[in-house]
Amino acid sequence: GAVVSQHPSRVICKSGTSVKIECRSLDFQATTMFWYRQFPKQSLMLMATSNEGSKATYEQGVEKDKFLINHASLTLSTLTVTSAHPEDSSFYICSARDIQAAKNIQYFGAGTRLSVL
Amino acid sequence: DAKTTQPPSMDCAEGRAANLPCNHSTISGNEYVYWYRQIHSQGPQYIIHGLKNNETNEMASLIITEDRKSSTLILPHATLRDTAVYYCIVRGDTGRRALTFGSGTRLQVQP
Repeated sequence: GAVVSQHPSRVICKSGTSVKIECRSLDFQATTMFWYRQFPKQSLMLMATSNEGSKATYEQGVEKDKFLINHASLTLSTLTVTSAHPEDSSFYICSARDIQAAKNIQYFGAGTRLSVL
Repeated sequence: DAKTTQPPSMDCAEGRAANLPCNHSTISGNEYVYWYRQIHSQGPQYIIHGLKNNETNEMASLIITEDRKSSTLILPHATLRDTAVYYCIVRGDTGRRALTFGSGTRLQVQP
C-alpha cells in the first residue's frame, strides 16, 4: 500500500515551546491530509483536515491558533503545536488519501508521541 | 456515516482463525465497510474494505451479509503480531471526509 511518513516519531519538549510535526506522502499525491490525536486508552479523534493550498478545517473544540497546519504541497503537511503545555501531551497521527487511486483508502503515518514537560 | 458496533475485546489462539464481527444495521446503499487495525503505539493500518461482495487479500477476508447489516473480518491464521485493536468503519466512498474511529475490538492472540 501507499506510504505516509511522519517525523519525528517522538519528541520531548519544555512547556511553552513549539513543536513541528511533518507528514509526507512518499509515493502518491494528497490534496487532503488529516490530523488525529489519540490519548492513552482512547480512540483516534480527528483534529483537522488539511487542504493543499488553502486553510485547514478544524474540528469543534480544536484551537486553530494553537495547532497550526500548513499544507504547502501535494506531498507535505505540517502540524505545529504552539506554546505546548503538558495537557498537549498525546499521540499525534497524520493520514492522507491517494487522490489518483481508484480506491478511496486513507493511509496513516506511524504517529508522533509528544511529551511536554 | 452509519454507526458500527464491535465487541470490546476478543481472544484467539495462535494459528487459529480470528473472526471479528461488526454490526452496521443502518448502513446505506453507497456506504463501504472498511477495516483498519492499530498495533500498540503505531498508526492505523489499512486491512481491507468492501461494498457488498466478499473480499479477500493477502491479509484477511471480509464477509458481508446479504442484507449488509453486519460483516466479519477473518484473519485465517492468527499470529502474535496480529494482536491489535481492530476498527470497523462505514463510510461512503465518494466523500473527502476523514475516517471516524470508534472504540474497536482489542484482539489478543494467545500463544
